[in-house]
Amino acid sequence: NAGVTQTPKFRVLKTGQSMTLLCAQDMNHEYMYWYRQDPGMGLRLIHYSVGEGTTAKGEVPDGYNVSRLKKQNFLLGLESAAPSQTSVYFCASSPTGGSGANVLTFGAGSRLTVL
Amino acid sequence: SQQGEEDPQALSIQEGENATMNCSYKTSINNLQWYRQNSGRGLVHLILIRSNEREKHSGRLRVTLDTSKKSSSLLITASRAADTASYFCVTKTGANNLFFGTGTRLTVIP
Repeated sequence: NAGVTQTPKFRVLKTGQSMTLLCAQDMNHEYMYWYRQDPGMGLRLIHYSVGEGTTAKGEVPDGYNVSRLKKQNFLLGLESAAPSQTSVYFCASSPTGGSGANVLTFGAGSRLTVL
Repeated sequence: SQQGEEDPQALSIQEGENATMNCSYKTSINNLQWYRQNSGRGLVHLILIRSNEREKHSGRLRVTLDTSKKSSSLLITASRAADTASYFCVTKTGANNLFFGTGTRLTVIP
């Protein structure tokens, strides 16, 4: 049982390049999330999805786009990478949200460096 | 910001001692969770306490919640070297609003 899988684990980009991070979960969870983790700032929510075909903005959505075409996959795109997007990105999923508990299962993270 | 804040930022103890870390938050919450993150890894859920609960136990973990003071504490008893990690409190304030604290870095010395 893989849980939440993120690819790639590491990536180095030049300013202005684009890329997509892929998140896949095999737990049939409805909710999926993308966070970024920066030193001393905890995790901040970028975008999330409450089900297949839906997406919503989180706390720091600027410069990112997402898609949830299939229930098990949640893609995070960087259209034109900037050094400020250097971070560790975590995908998470939860079976419930809304009035539920939102207990999150996390992937191992993707470390992105933008030069 | 509604972000929770953990205290202390770093804690170093001997194996076998108890570790206590605290979380303070700013607004009313639906529930509060604690997660652990080992170095270079993703976060792992430890325990959840709802706003109408005051204390909860899970193995060597004890969590308390004081909504009047907007604070929570996580106690790890009889610590082990494997407990070395960062610990985050996460507050839920709305349907899908989860806010992470900045974390407490716990080091357990064998």
